[in-house]
Amino acid sequence: EAQVTQNPRYLITVTGKKLTVTCSQNMNHEYMSWYRQDPGLGLRQIYYSMNVEVTDKGDVPEGYKVSRKEKRNFPLILESPSPNQTSLYFCASRISGDGTEAFFGQGTRLTVV
Amino acid sequence: KQEVTQIPAALSVPEGENLVLNCSFTDSAIYNLQWFRQDPGKGLTSLLLIQSSQREQTSGRLNASLDKSSGRSTLYIAASQPGDSATYLCAVVWGGYQKVTFGTGTKLQVIP
Repeated sequence: EAQVTQNPRYLITVTGKKLTVTCSQNMNHEYMSWYRQDPGLGLRQIYYSMNVEVTDKGDVPEGYKVSRKEKRNFPLILESPSPNQTSLYFCASRISGDGTEAFFGQGTRLTVV
Repeated sequence: KQEVTQIPAALSVPEGENLVLNCSFTDSAIYNLQWFRQDPGKGLTSLLLIQSSQREQTSGRLNASLDKSSGRSTLYIAASQPGDSATYLCAVVWGGYQKVTFGTGTKLQVIP
């Protein structure tokens, strides 16, 4: 089954404790991206990757890091999480950077206390 | 600034009505526009994708149109059903660097 898989689905952590949210897709897609969703603000793009070793900032990259060492994986790293990073996070992928349908993971609800 | 706006923020209709959801964007240089639905606590499900060269796309009771010159897209839902109740989001892939901007969504409630 074609899918985008995020882990964990739920996470509660403390301020400053480094964490990684994993994202994996099995569709051989080139383009992957991360979003956060907050009430009243909608979904905002954090980072995106056009292909292996190619990443770029979205609209809200501060406080986040990403890496794309393999085509299927695109982890989101919070080096020093803060309460304002409490949010619902989504990973997405599509075949290429333009003109193709995006597939989303089920989301990761992160709470930073 | 590249922005995407969805109006209204919420909509309540009786079952069986035809309805239109609106999506406006500020820059006509887009690659494509995609409509999604999101159920509470769930991820996003793709409904329709319209390429920049297309005027409309149809899937079952759904029809999406695109007018780049006016910066507008509409999602038409025919014969609405309670199962259509969800939040509907449009997302624009901008030309150039392939950034994506989402609208804030329209929360639809279809009343039986």
